Amino acid sequence: DTGVSQNPRHKITKRGQNVTFRCDPISEHNRLYWYRQTLGQGPEFLTYFQNEAQLEKSRLLSDRFSAERPKGSFSTLEIQRTEQGDSAMYLCASSGLGQLGGPQHFGDGTRLSIL
Amino acid sequence: GIQVEQSPPDLILQEGANSTLRCNFSDSVNNLQWFHQNPWGQLINLFYIPSGTKQNGRLSATTVATERYSLLYISSSQTTDSGVYFCAVGPRGTYKYIFGTGTRLKVLA
Repeated sequence: DTGVSQNPRHKITKRGQNVTFRCDPISEHNRLYWYRQTLGQGPEFLTYFQNEAQLEKSRLLSDRFSAERPKGSFSTLEIQRTEQGDSAMYLCASSGLGQLGGPQHFGDGTRLSIL
Repeated sequence: GIQVEQSPPDLILQEGANSTLRCNFSDSVNNLQWFHQNPWGQLINLFYIPSGTKQNGRLSATTVATERYSLLYISSSQTTDSGVYFCAVGPRGTYKYIFGTGTRLKVLA
């Protein structure tokens, strides 16, 4: 069990640029989640995959955000035309296929700063 | 949607003191976890506890699902316990988590 891995750890970019983050879940986990955390707040749910299927999306996930999990393994989160308000920590989590979901295991996150 | 409230919002303790953190939620849940977010932003899983009681060293947790609350006990606190403690719940019908407002703990040497 190598844990959930996220890359990069930090990303600094100019407003208007596109960015992409990667998440590698725990290998035997079929469920993968993306959350966003802004300063002083708790993480907020963005989207959830079971295998390669994206089953739930938050209204926080505007049209500029897109997430994929093409082969049911790693996932990418892309933000197009970044804005100042996108500055946040982006967290990925994974869990097994238990009927009730089971515990979620979080990665160390990608901290995004928009200049 | 479900509301998750944690208390107290802030807590300052002397090293060695005990404390109880509370998480109240407004609807039935399938999942509940307690996390410690350290100063580097890492979310450390403390307990997966949708019901019942668990203990791990100086930490223990109890969830009373029928009354919609969970408690996290920290005994003999250490400076390394400092950080933010989050309760996260998984509402029925979904696998996502809704995080509480957090308790910011500072343990003084």
